[in-house]
Amino acid sequence: DAKTTQPPSMDCAEGRAANLPCNHSTISGNEYVYWYRQIHSQGPQYIIHGLKNNETNEMASLIITEDRKSSTLILPHATLRDTAVYYCIVRVVGYGGSQGNLIFGKGTKLSVKP
Amino acid sequence: SAVISQKPSRDICQRGTSLTIQCQVDSQVTMMFWYRQQPGQSLTLIATANQGSEATYESGFVIDKFPISRPNLTFSTLTVSNMSPEDSSIYLCSVVLGSGGFSYEQYFGPGTRLTVT
Repeated sequence: DAKTTQPPSMDCAEGRAANLPCNHSTISGNEYVYWYRQIHSQGPQYIIHGLKNNETNEMASLIITEDRKSSTLILPHATLRDTAVYYCIVRVVGYGGSQGNLIFGKGTKLSVKP
Repeated sequence: SAVISQKPSRDICQRGTSLTIQCQVDSQVTMMFWYRQQPGQSLTLIATANQGSEATYESGFVIDKFPISRPNLTFSTLTVSNMSPEDSSIYLCSVVLGSGGFSYEQYFGPGTRLTVT
């Protein structure tokens, strides 16, 4: 799987938008961008994923550049409960999920401050 | 989505002993994975456990140390054998659920926090 580069840590004020960047310059045409987060002492939680179009769900928005070499996860109104490590992962997706597991990097530790 | 439970949630064990961790899923899944997360580190895949076949281990992990069972589509166990303090980690179970075609998501259990003394 392609490697990703994320800043090790970021701070965000409560109520403001948190924009978490990810570089994946070697991404292949059939690789998706996935975002997960891990709140302290819990298992990772799926946030969102996309291929080339921007995506939005109830948790976040995912903005992928046109060349697909980077992406940004946006938490529109960060709360204290959003404090977590955020992982950006790129991987091939087979039909029916047949490509299997995710490979985690070190992620970005987001601290939301009052 | 999938609801995944693990037992025990945490344990403190003596070196040289073994611990079996259980993973239960509320729906039938084909692909199940076991991860390890050492203190302050990211997740590392131990093995893939698909029902009806032998588990596939990643480099650095062997069946004698981490035997896995997968008796049905909703359950799996991971045993940490002959434990040493270096095995102190969080062990996580994970499953893949597909909603059809190329759309699928991977879910994680809450983890089992193991401390070996």
